[in-house]
Amino acid sequence: DIQMTQSPSTLSASVGDRVTITCRANQSIYNWLAWYQQRPGKAPHLLIYKASTLETGVPSRFSGSGSGTEFTLTINSLQPDDFATYYCQQYHSYRTFGQGTKVDIK
Amino acid sequence: QVQLQESGPGLVKPSETLSLTCSVSGGSMSRHYWSWIRQPPGKGLEWIGNVYNSDTTKYNPSLKGRVSISVDTSKNQFSLKLSSVTAADTAVYYCAREPDDISRGDLDCWGQGTLVTVSS
Repeated sequence: DIQMTQSPSTLSASVGDRVTITCRANQSIYNWLAWYQQRPGKAPHLLIYKASTLETGVPSRFSGSGSGTEFTLTINSLQPDDFATYYCQQYHSYRTFGQGTKVDIK
Repeated sequence: QVQLQESGPGLVKPSETLSLTCSVSGGSMSRHYWSWIRQPPGKGLEWIGNVYNSDTTKYNPSLKGRVSISVDTSKNQFSLKLSSVTAADTAVYYCAREPDDISRGDLDCWGQGTLVTVSS
């Protein structure tokens, strides 16, 4: 089974900060990775697929990088709407989510 | 614009079978994988499984044969059945779509989710 581990679990930041979230796989998943944002009480929303491709309509302050087993989601100049929980998901074999990273207000 | 909507009982008794339906509107069901994902209260997301074209299914091995997903394209719906439920199956259940692109397995369209509680 492919396990996905995100770090940190919680991240405190301020509006305007640059934020980086890491996602690691226990085996290579090439670039078969997606990132989602989930606000409280809402369904997840796709941000990035194939590790670094921005979904249509997603602001350019979001970016993804990495391949193999280590990936990052970066949010440049954090906005009030960005305080949420972020999940990575692999789709190399079946589908597996990371445990989530909550970005809250410092 | 495609929209997904989950429906089904909000309360299921322990040991019984949880059954949910996802209705798809605004688009075709062909050439897409259709998925179920769940989220226990206050916890993370768990992929349950997906279906493609009525004859191809993949399930999360951790659900140990309790799960079945089917699709009815004539009704633009797909369904989830989870048997022998326990309190651990209490969660918000989401249906979602994978894009019409064989190189993608992300989920680009989601239903709003429905809470299912397992309790006697």
